[in-house]
Amino acid sequence: AQSVAQPEDQVNVAEGNPLTVKCTYSVSGNPYLFWYVQYPNRGLQFLLKYITGDNLVKGSYGFEAEFNKSQTSLHLKKPSALVSDSALYFCAFLHNAGNMLTFGGGTRLMVKP
Amino acid sequence: DSGVTQTPKHLITATGQRVTLRCSPRSGDLSVYWYQQSLDQGLQFLIQYYNGEERAKGNILERFSAQQFPDLHSELNLSSLELGDSALYFCASSANTGTSGSYNEQFFGPGTRLTVL
Repeated sequence: AQSVAQPEDQVNVAEGNPLTVKCTYSVSGNPYLFWYVQYPNRGLQFLLKYITGDNLVKGSYGFEAEFNKSQTSLHLKKPSALVSDSALYFCAFLHNAGNMLTFGGGTRLMVKP
Repeated sequence: DSGVTQTPKHLITATGQRVTLRCSPRSGDLSVYWYQQSLDQGLQFLIQYYNGEERAKGNILERFSAQQFPDLHSELNLSSLELGDSALYFCASSANTGTSGSYNEQFFGPGTRLTVL
């Protein structure tokens, strides 16, 4: 079955340090991958998507993602973390046939001052 | 603010009851999606509508149904509610054409938190 996996339930980083939130995929055909963020008591906010093309994708709020085909991954990155980045992060893939998103289990990012 | 609105924000009801959740998509978006977020199941796709027609179905129980109206708002009906139906229900919308090959991001509403007692 097609899926995405987020191997870390939680990632802890210090403010100002670079952050990485990992996502790997198992998808037949071309992977159409998305990252979303969920703040407490809020809906999901779109960060970025990888459809095809450059392996480095720029997103919102200073986030970017690095696509690696050989490692079947799209890791979310930010050069300098902010306390306000603390939230739940989800990667997802888009089913080409139905346009629905299948989400990973989520990774909680904690940025400490 | 994503532009997707959902009502009500919170809903508390008893087992066996029926509830209706409402969603208004972003202006101009023809596709509406419903997702369920629970602690044990994570975020799961339920159903998609495109311009009034059902387009895709996910892990939606037979006790649940949805529709999209001519003004493009959508309703999710949950009946014979069980304790396990307690969850956050999200609606999302996108500008896709409804066919494969559309890669538009989906914009999510703030959700309706359903508590079944």
